[in-house]
Amino acid sequence: DAGVIQSPRHEVTEMGQEVTLRCKPISGHDYLFWYRQTMMRGLELLIYFNNNVPIDDSGMPEDRFSAKMPNASFSTLKIQPSEPRDSAVYFCASIPSGTGAYNEQFFGPGTRLTVL
Amino acid sequence: DAKTTQPPSMDCAEGRAANLPCNHSTISGNEYVYWYRQIHSQGPQYIIHGLKNNETNEMASLIITEDRKSSTLILPHATLRDTAVYYCIVSSRGSNYKLTFGKGTLLTVNP
Repeated sequence: DAGVIQSPRHEVTEMGQEVTLRCKPISGHDYLFWYRQTMMRGLELLIYFNNNVPIDDSGMPEDRFSAKMPNASFSTLKIQPSEPRDSAVYFCASIPSGTGAYNEQFFGPGTRLTVL
Repeated sequence: DAKTTQPPSMDCAEGRAANLPCNHSTISGNEYVYWYRQIHSQGPQYIIHGLKNNETNEMASLIITEDRKSSTLILPHATLRDTAVYYCIVSSRGSNYKLTFGKGTLLTVNP
């Protein structure tokens, strides 16, 4: 298995532009998580899905952020409009349900976003 | 979920055992202890988890005190590639697999 795939790996954009980050979870995993990591705030959970349905989006910072999961193999995190404070590394992770306490989240390599 | 406390940084000599402590004094009976690590510029990686018994796998050992208020992650023979930030996380089975990462411990393995 290729693991969790994220694209792009690096994104540089200008303030005000729309940014779309993409994630392909591991096949068969029905939970998907989006995290953001900055030096100041560390690793924060933004939103997670179960069977393509958003379960908890309490970590989404504001309305400029939105996430979708149109099918089991694809999710997007969109920022519109982007701001310099959105600069961070964004990680996607997935896990299969039914594993009891075995909470091994598989993380992707991340997307490093820089908003100028 | 219970909060954890870890030292911000630790050093270890290559080939020696690295013992990383974690305090979770407010842990409740249904909460597990998980350890993840994050090597620079990579995503976090699961290491091990436990409830109340000591656990061992190919990566590490986890020692949980009898009162479950603290635990220690042991890397038996640290290598330079083990240099990373190590996160101790407490989470319950009812949390829908939701993990809350703290600041972790930066372990530096020195040659």
